[in-house]
Amino acid sequence: KQEVTQIPAALSVPEGENLVLNCSFTDSAIYNLQWFRQDPGKGLTSLLLIQSSQREQTSGRLNASLDKSSGRSTLYIAASQPGDSATYLCASFQKLVFGTGTRLLVSP
Amino acid sequence: EAQVTQNPRYLITVTGKKLTVTCSQNMNHEYMSWYRQDPGLGLRQIYYSMNVEVTDKGDVPEGYKVSRKEKRNFPLILESPSPNQTSLYFCASKAQGGEKLFFGSGTQLSVL
Repeated sequence: KQEVTQIPAALSVPEGENLVLNCSFTDSAIYNLQWFRQDPGKGLTSLLLIQSSQREQTSGRLNASLDKSSGRSTLYIAASQPGDSATYLCASFQKLVFGTGTRLLVSP
Repeated sequence: EAQVTQNPRYLITVTGKKLTVTCSQNMNHEYMSWYRQDPGLGLRQIYYSMNVEVTDKGDVPEGYKVSRKEKRNFPLILESPSPNQTSLYFCASKAQGGEKLFFGSGTQLSVL
């Protein structure tokens, strides 16, 4: 059974820092891996999707990488801003399994 | 605007009183699904539907029912709610063969 783990569970950084969020999965037989953002009281918004054949995807200040052999994905956020404060979840797709999320707080 | 709409946003009910949470999408998506989100457990899939009249159990289907009579609608039914079904519920959809999931804004359910 696929298990998806996210570390750390919570992260607090000052504005402007570059940061890395980690996602680990136990079964490397995935179709793709997706990163989401969840704001309080709102649903999830898809940020990046990495196909199983890809190594990384970029969107603006966000870069997500995928290493199937080691069962890991990372989300890199450059020059963090207070507006980045949210919970970030990764999800592996074959049978959809979500991680428990990393709650990020960026202080001005 | 492309969206997934859930109703209601907040619901407080009592044990045993049947309820339905509605979900509707306007993107002509074939795939729809329901999740519950609990602290420390993340999102867990309750049921999913690959198309009209095709539904299947997810990881935590006990105590829930769904139906998919129309492509756009995928209601979640709790026939006899219990306190352990107090949770934040999300509906999501995606196109068949597509991979990007679109989520509704969530329904916070409290069963007393």
